[in-house]
Amino acid sequence: QVQLQESGPGLVKPSETLSLTCTVSGASITSDYWSWIRQPPGKGLEWFGYIYYTGTAAKYNPSLESRVTMSVDRSKNQFSLKLTSVTAADTAVYYCARKPDAKAHLDVWGKGTTVTVSS
Amino acid sequence: QSALTQPASVTGSPGQSITISCTGTSSDVGGYNYVCWYQQNPGKAPKLLIYDVTNRPSGVSNRFSGSKSGNTASLTISGLQADDEADYYCSSYTSSDSYIIFGGGTKLTVL
Repeated sequence: QVQLQESGPGLVKPSETLSLTCTVSGASITSDYWSWIRQPPGKGLEWFGYIYYTGTAAKYNPSLESRVTMSVDRSKNQFSLKLTSVTAADTAVYYCARKPDAKAHLDVWGKGTTVTVSS
Repeated sequence: QSALTQPASVTGSPGQSITISCTGTSSDVGGYNYVCWYQQNPGKAPKLLIYDVTNRPSGVSNRFSGSKSGNTASLTISGLQADDEADYYCSSYTSSDSYIIFGGGTKLTVL
């Protein structure tokens, strides 16, 4: 059974960089695509983008692209998200998820981690 | 890229059927069979209910079904149960740079 677990700081200061890691268990990261999604308090879902396990193919949401970097660490079966120059608007629950092959759905999700941007 | 349009709320009674709509454009919902639906209970991660318009992942009840007509996709829940009360989100592939877009979500209340 594939499981994903997000980890990272729960509090980030404005203008700093938010860094999160997703650990994949029950399956190898060397297949499929891996995504990040967030959900601000009381609001809907926002897709960040995906990255292929090779790390060479990535697609980002254009509204976030200038601040987002995703990467993969195959040795640790993990993938990561970095979001620069954060503001209070980046306060949200952040989810990692698996995107099977070339499909457009997310079939396995992590439980989510809350990140608050505040000084 | 605008989000897909869903009703903010839908209400039904136990045993009834309800339908949640998801309206997009020919660049997303209408142009591709890559619409999916998620169920999200309070404080929990979304759960995939339907993918590729009509397909159910293993383990998802056949009370949930999906369809599409033109630029509007629909999720139908039959035989409503109390634990169906949740938020439901549609999502689609889009030929714009956004690649994956979500609807704004629909809160289902089971009276």
